[in-house]
Amino acid sequence: QKEVEQDPGPLSVPEGAIVSLNCTYSNSAFQYFMWYRQYSRKGPELLMYTYSSGNKEDGRFTAQVDKSSKYISLFIRDSQPSDSATYLCAINAGGTSYGKLTFGQGTILTVHP
Amino acid sequence: DAGVIQSPRHEVTEMGQEVTLRCKPISGHDYLFWYRQTMMRGLELLIYFNNNVPIDDSGMPEDRFSAKMPNASFSTLKIQPSEPRDSAVYFCASSQGAEAFFGQGTRLTVV
Repeated sequence: QKEVEQDPGPLSVPEGAIVSLNCTYSNSAFQYFMWYRQYSRKGPELLMYTYSSGNKEDGRFTAQVDKSSKYISLFIRDSQPSDSATYLCAINAGGTSYGKLTFGQGTILTVHP
Repeated sequence: DAGVIQSPRHEVTEMGQEVTLRCKPISGHDYLFWYRQTMMRGLELLIYFNNNVPIDDSGMPEDRFSAKMPNASFSTLKIQPSEPRDSAVYFCASSQGAEAFFGQGTRLTVV
C-alpha cells in the first residue's frame, strides 16, 4: 500500500463548479499537510499548508484535514479555467523525518469555459 | 529571492554519457531535495540534505546516481552512465520548514 493515495483523475468540470480533490494516507505519524499545484512543464507550487486536523481557507481554496480518517481534501469554489492544472497532495511526518515530503500521484483537473 | 534555480532546463544526451544537474536553493533554507517525476511513478524523492549533509538517499535508484552538496548554495545530481530509462523531469526543492519550494525542473532525455 502506498503511503499516500490520490485519484489521478482526470477530472473535468465546467467553469464556476465546486471542485473536490482528495487524498488518503496510511501513516498516523503524518502531521503536516500540503497541496501543490503544477501547471504543465512547470515546477509544483505550494497552494495550501495545514498542521493537524481542521479547515483552512484562502480565497477560493479550502483545505480540510481529518486525521481520524486519514483523509485530506482541497475544495475549489467558483473554479476558473486558470485553475486547470495537476494538484498534488503532500504530507510530512515531522519529527526525525522533518522536511521529507511524501506526494500523492496528482489529480489532473481541467476547468472548461 | 529568485526562488530555487536549476540548470540546465533541458538536457538531451546519449546513453552512456555522464549527466550533471545543478541546483541553487533559496538562501537561508537548510533542507534541499532532489525529486524525479515521470508519468508512471509521479513525483519520487531521490535524496535530501539537511545543512549540506545527506540525510536519506534511499530513493536513489542505483549506484549510477550520486548527489553532492558542497555548500549551502549549491547541489548537484549526477548520473553516470545515463540510460534511456533515466529520462524524466528532475526537480530540486528547498525548505526551512515543513513546506518545500520547487525549482522549474530539468527535463532529461537520454537517447
